[in-house]
Amino acid sequence: DIQMTQSPSSLSASVGDKVTITCRASQSINSNVNWYQQKPGKAPKLLIYAASSLQSGVPSRFSGSGSGTDFTLTISSLQPEDFATYYCQQSYNTRPYTFGQGTKLEIK
Amino acid sequence: QVQLVESGGGVVQPGNSLRLSCAASGFRFSDYAMHWVRQAPDKGLEWVADLRYDGSNKNYADSVKGRFTISRDNSRNTLYLEMNSLRAEDTAVYYCARDVGSSSGRVRFDPWGQGTLVTVSS
Repeated sequence: DIQMTQSPSSLSASVGDKVTITCRASQSINSNVNWYQQKPGKAPKLLIYAASSLQSGVPSRFSGSGSGTDFTLTISSLQPEDFATYYCQQSYNTRPYTFGQGTKLEIK
Repeated sequence: QVQLVESGGGVVQPGNSLRLSCAASGFRFSDYAMHWVRQAPDKGLEWVADLRYDGSNKNYADSVKGRFTISRDNSRNTLYLEMNSLRAEDTAVYYCARDVGSSSGRVRFDPWGQGTLVTVSS
């Protein structure tokens, strides 16, 4: 199975900060990474697919980059509604479609 | 609007069975592959199973293979997960999700249902 390792596991930041979350795959997966946001008690929401494509309706302050094994999710200017847990997911042509362990973004 | 609504969760004893349903609306259900993903309490996300738009090519996580069965009824716009020989470690919120990218080779899940909680306990 392809392992996805996110860092950091948790992060404290302030409104207006720029934040970067990283995800490393255990083998090359080209650009087959998705990013999801999950708020407490809610279902995950797709933010970024294919490493850098912004899902329709998602604010442009969210961006993704990377290919091969190393990927990043960046939030350019944190808003109050962005405090949540973020997950990367590999979508390479092999199952299981594993997720990272999550990064909890908290208010400083 | 596009919506997925899970049902069928509850408390079940170890070794028993449960069937989850996911009712789809707002889109042509028969055009999309579908997935089940679960989340144990205060844990991360774990992909469980998927199947193609026509119900073929079913795939499972090793942790559920041989115990869970995914299926769909396109005439009823409904996805199912039959869970047998349940274990304590199957306790989780179970989400269904539409795959909006499999036809292009860019698998991604959108939207997700609200989830249904399965608790396996004696």
